[in-house]
Amino acid sequence: DIQMTQSPSSLSASVGDRVTITCRAGQNINNYLNWYQQKPGKAPKLLIYATANLQSGVPPRFSGTGSGIDFTLTISSLQPEDFATYYCQQSYSSTWTFGQGTKVEIK
Amino acid sequence: QITLRESGPSLVKPTQTLTLTCTSSGFLLHTSGVGVGWIRQPPGKALEWLALIFWNDDKRYNDDKPYSPSLRSRLTITKDTSKNQVVLTMTNMDPVDTGTYYCAQISEASGWRHYFEYWGQGILVTVSS
Repeated sequence: DIQMTQSPSSLSASVGDRVTITCRAGQNINNYLNWYQQKPGKAPKLLIYATANLQSGVPPRFSGTGSGIDFTLTISSLQPEDFATYYCQQSYSSTWTFGQGTKVEIK
Repeated sequence: QITLRESGPSLVKPTQTLTLTCTSSGFLLHTSGVGVGWIRQPPGKALEWLALIFWNDDKRYNDDKPYSPSLRSRLTITKDTSKNQVVLTMTNMDPVDTGTYYCAQISEASGWRHYFEYWGQGILVTVSS
């Protein structure tokens, strides 16, 4: 398995803050990296695929960068609806893996 | 609108086999995306990938039914295009298998970069005697 490690595990931020979440892969995964947002009691929602491609309908304040083993999800100006848990996921190997999640809470 | 739905029992006993079905509304599963995957989430914990199935020969992985290595011996994923469904079975259920089980459509970007584009609402399965 390719281990995916997210940091931080949780963070507190205020509306309007710039938020950065990192995801590190256990090996080079090229840019086979996706990001999902999950709100309590809801199914995950795709935000970004293949490292930097914004899913249709997702606000442009979300962006993704990275390559190799290090990847970043950035929210440029945190909005009230962005408080949620975020997961990275690799599809480089045939056995996909998710990160452990980063919970974004209200400060 | 792409809508997937999971169905199956909400309660199973330890050692029993769980059978979950993923189906779609308003479209045919095998005509949208490149396949379907299953993911689960224990209460309060992270997402865990379980299995994938591709509609056609997979060109990237050379494995059209990848399974989680830790659960491979207990999982079987199948597709039935005539019934418009994908079925996941998990044998020898244990209380630690309690959680919400999701199916999701696999989409593909250039270079066979796969991702879960659409998700079902999930089904909570409790394992208890």
